[in-house]
Amino acid sequence: DAGVIQSPRHEVTEMGQEVTLRCKPISGHNSLFWYRQTMMRGLELLIYFNNNVPIDDSGMPEDRFSAKMPNASFSTLKIQPSEPRDSAVYFCASRSRGVNEQFFGPGTRLTVL
Amino acid sequence: AQTVTQSQPEMSVQEAETVTLSCTYDTSESDYYLFWYKQPPSRQMILVIRQEAYKQQNATENRFSVNFQKAAKSFSLKISDSQLGDAAMYFCAYRRRGGSEKLVFGKGTKLTVNP
Repeated sequence: DAGVIQSPRHEVTEMGQEVTLRCKPISGHNSLFWYRQTMMRGLELLIYFNNNVPIDDSGMPEDRFSAKMPNASFSTLKIQPSEPRDSAVYFCASRSRGVNEQFFGPGTRLTVL
Repeated sequence: AQTVTQSQPEMSVQEAETVTLSCTYDTSESDYYLFWYKQPPSRQMILVIRQEAYKQQNATENRFSVNFQKAAKSFSLKISDSQLGDAAMYFCAYRRRGGSEKLVFGKGTKLTVNP
């Protein structure tokens, strides 16, 4: 079992650049979640998908953020243009129907200079 | 909106001793789940223990147990026989049953284990 896979693990970019974070959920899981962790705000849900369909995107901070899930095994979180305040650790998690636990990936540490 | 509060930013414990981490939450729902997650320096979020609100019996996982007080909206984590590997950030989290699957997290408690 490979677990949730995220790439890249670290990303350093300059303000104004486009950033794309990637996630591969655990095979067979039908729910996928994107969280952001910062010192100030802690862990917050950005968006989640059920069966590849976005269900709750109320946590997406603004139009600069977008997320897609084109199929059951891949999701992206895109920030365009990036800003220094977007610097954070971004986690992807997945869950199987009928199971309460969300399994987290290792996170992507994003630094926007 | 649901909120989760962890009032202890930092805690420390001697190896082999017992420590309790506090968590309170606010919700108008009657059916929900509560979780404790551990985040070691590796940054990986690991589920430690979970509790279903409809169950009166407190959950236990080896050295980890909870004290769930539904009326008081309190959900503390007890770690017995603390080990050096228990040192980490601990997050309390809430999720309603049915409806949104969003996990609502507390700000975390940093646990230090002293040898």
